[in-house]
Amino acid sequence: QKEVEQNSGPLSVPEGAIASLNCTYSDRGSQSFFWYRQYSGKSPELIMSIYSNGDKEDGRFTAQLNKASQYVSLLIRDSQPSDSATYLCAVNMDSNYQLIWGAGTKLIIKP
Amino acid sequence: KAGVTQTPRYLIKTRGQQVTLSCSPISGHRSVSWYQQTPGQGLQFLFEYFSETQRNKGNFPGRFSGRQFSNSRSEMNVSTLELGDSALYLCASSLAAGVTDTQYFGPGTRLTVL
Repeated sequence: QKEVEQNSGPLSVPEGAIASLNCTYSDRGSQSFFWYRQYSGKSPELIMSIYSNGDKEDGRFTAQLNKASQYVSLLIRDSQPSDSATYLCAVNMDSNYQLIWGAGTKLIIKP
Repeated sequence: KAGVTQTPRYLIKTRGQQVTLSCSPISGHRSVSWYQQTPGQGLQFLFEYFSETQRNKGNFPGRFSGRQFSNSRSEMNVSTLELGDSALYLCASSLAAGVTDTQYFGPGTRLTVL
């Protein structure tokens, strides 16, 4: 069974600190990895995509991919209350390009 | 550019009925994917359409079906509704086929089955 696992949280982080969100996946052959943010009552929106091992930075967000250990993480620097949301990890695990989604981690940034 | 639109936004149906949901992708986008989102199961992939052809299908029973029209608008149909079908149904559009392209989600249709 192809799976993507995330800690459901909630993960509580003080404002200004670094929030670290983790995601593990079961298929070693996975090629594409995505982080989406979903505010309560809203639809998901893409934050980052990453395809190669290492770090990818975009503003306050950094995605980290380690294919050998089969995990992908998202770091949010200088966390703001507006970052409070559920973060969804999605992985493309097969040649049919079907995305497998994690259940999401609820992040709460405390002022 | 207008975003992805979904209609209706809310639906209440009873068991055994059928329902049709509609999704209009971003102009120029030819791929539409459908997802079911529930608190317990998260986002579950239903199917993807590209150029009026179903490219992928998730692990859902045959009661769930869809189609795509020549203008890329897509519909999803659920027949013989069950209580467990209560969920938020999301569609997402992308320029190209395959989910490696950025997907843009619509606001969703909240379906409640009584």
